[in-house]
Amino acid sequence: DIVMTQSPLSLPVTPGEPASISCRSSERLLHRNGNTYLDWYLQKPGQSPQLLIYLGSNRASGVPDRFSGSGSGTDFTLKISRVEAEDAGIYYCMQGLDTRTFGPGTKVEIK
Amino acid sequence: EVQLAESGGGLVQPGGSLRLSCAASDVTLNAFWMSWVRQAPGRGLEWVAMIKPDGSEIRYVDSVRGRFAISRDRAKKSLYLQMSGLRVEDTGVYYCAMLDSATSHGRVYWGQGTQVTVSS
Repeated sequence: DIVMTQSPLSLPVTPGEPASISCRSSERLLHRNGNTYLDWYLQKPGQSPQLLIYLGSNRASGVPDRFSGSGSGTDFTLKISRVEAEDAGIYYCMQGLDTRTFGPGTKVEIK
Repeated sequence: EVQLAESGGGLVQPGGSLRLSCAASDVTLNAFWMSWVRQAPGRGLEWVAMIKPDGSEIRYVDSVRGRFAISRDRAKKSLYLQMSGLRVEDTGVYYCAMLDSATSHGRVYWGQGTQVTVSS
């Protein structure tokens, strides 16, 4: 089974400042079709998760361009160029190469 | 916009059974793998099970294999999770979801979740 890890697990951020979350998988997430099966989700309190980034670097519809995803193989990064108050919540990476596995989550707190 | 609505959650004693249902608002999701994802109180997301569009392939997380059974009814646009041998650690919010972002060009769908509490 593919294991996902994230760091940090807690991230206090100042509005207007950048933020970065790392995600690592125990196996490469590159499929033979060329796709990298790594998604990023944000879950706000009391809500279902919402998709931010799919296939490693593609922003989902309606996601602000301050969010970006990068990485390859087993190492991935979610970046927020300038954090806003509404970005608070728990961020999860998820692999979709073999069944599904979520990372443990990174709690982003606005200072 | 496709909507998913779960039902069937509740309070059950350890060892008991429960059947969760998830109704989709239209037939769009019949073409995709569907999943159940759960979240224990104050914990992260855990994928539980998934089923192929035609039901011919099914996968489970190790902790529920042999106790839970996922199924779907395309005509009813519905997804099910039959849970038996429930344990206290199965407590949480259960979401049905279509997580196949690659095939759907970035469109995924989650329900609002249904609460399952296993307690004596």
